[in-house]
Amino acid sequence: EDQVTQSPEALRLQEGESSSLNCSYTVSGLRGLFWYRQDPGKGPEFLFTLYSAGEEKEKERLKATLTKKESFLHITAPKPEDSATYLCAVQANSNYQLIWGAGTKLIIKP
Amino acid sequence: SQTIHQWPATLVQPVGSPLSLECTVEGTSNPNLYWYRQAAGRGLQLLFYSVGIGQISSEVPQNLSASRPQDRQFILSSKKLLLSDSGFYLCAWSGAGGVADTQYFGPGTRLTVL
Repeated sequence: EDQVTQSPEALRLQEGESSSLNCSYTVSGLRGLFWYRQDPGKGPEFLFTLYSAGEEKEKERLKATLTKKESFLHITAPKPEDSATYLCAVQANSNYQLIWGAGTKLIIKP
Repeated sequence: SQTIHQWPATLVQPVGSPLSLECTVEGTSNPNLYWYRQAAGRGLQLLFYSVGIGQISSEVPQNLSASRPQDRQFILSSKKLLLSDSGFYLCAWSGAGGVADTQYFGPGTRLTVL
């Protein structure tokens, strides 16, 4: 069964304290892995799409990496405005649907 | 550039009343359109999917329905709301035929059924 697990459920960091969020997946043939950011009461905002193991993408303080079993979202020297829930989803070759994780709630304290 | 709109932003409805949520996309043609529901602290649940006018795929059997009367308009409806229909409803679009179908989301509608 295709599934996505995100960890931790919540992460509290001090401003400037770098860390990583994990997205583990099981899928029969990966077509793409997606990272989104979601602020409270708003729709998810697209961050990255990764297609194959070894691929990396960066945007400001965020860097996403992909292996055959998991993806990491690394956040470097975070700021309070990086506080949000980060969602991961995968798409299999055999299915148009995205399979979603439950998200990691990131809180950055000033 | 492409934009996606949803309305209303919030809605409070009594049990048994009808529902109509609307989603429109601008700046693209023949998009794939999606309706999701998001429960607190949980992942997104796909409700309906459409690849074209009048073409609707239902992923979860329930008292909701969807329609696509125009290329860039997607409507979520119910004849009689249940308490369990409360939640955050999201509309999304993606381009047809992409390598991987990146989905772009609207601002969402918060529905409370009392």
